Amino acid sequence: GDSVTQTEGQVTVSESKSLIINCTYSATSIAYPNLFWYVRYPGEGLQLLLKVITAGQKGSSRGFEATYNKETTSFHLQKASVQESDSAVYYCALSSNTGYQNFYFGKGTSLTVIP
Amino acid sequence: NAGVIQTPRHKVTGKGQEATLWCEPISGHSAVFWYRQTIVQGLEFLTYFRNQAPIDDSGMPKERFSAQMPNQSHSTLKIQSTQPQDSAVYLCASSLEGWGNTLYFGEGSRLIVV
Repeated sequence: GDSVTQTEGQVTVSESKSLIINCTYSATSIAYPNLFWYVRYPGEGLQLLLKVITAGQKGSSRGFEATYNKETTSFHLQKASVQESDSAVYYCALSSNTGYQNFYFGKGTSLTVIP
Repeated sequence: NAGVIQTPRHKVTGKGQEATLWCEPISGHSAVFWYRQTIVQGLEFLTYFRNQAPIDDSGMPKERFSAQMPNQSHSTLKIQSTQPQDSAVYLCASSLEGWGNTLYFGEGSRLIVV
């Protein structure tokens, strides 16, 4: 079935350093799924950070970027210089559309940015 | 435009009791999902409705969990005979159907079974 694997557990980065959270997907039901990054900031609900629905394209939001790479089936989340306010839990997800649209999520990566 | 509304936000229940969680999806959204969020398992899919009809409940523990969507503005998740391992944040989400559409989440209902 369809699935997502991402950097698991906790990641700690110093402020102003670069960040990469790895995400790879397996989409057996569809060749080109839609790919998403969701984020949950402390005290807030889960919300969309960025999405890309076309292979080869890049999405960006709040200084974060992710490129849809169909060759490596990856959708890594990157930021050049993190801030303390980026501390949150990040989820990579894919959606398929085979008869109905279901969403599959990774287990989440908890990012802590230390000043 | 209100987002997905979930009630209650917090619920503490005794082992063996019943818990019912409510969700009001975004108006006009035809797809409604329920997920369970824990630190260990992350986001687990439970069930999915489209136009109020149950489409996929493959993630639901069959014995004690049930979900309904009696109308387009309301879905419920019921857990009978709650167990400590049911403690989690239960998330409801809704979306429009179709390619590329985004899933919008409620703030969740935190269930604690003591």
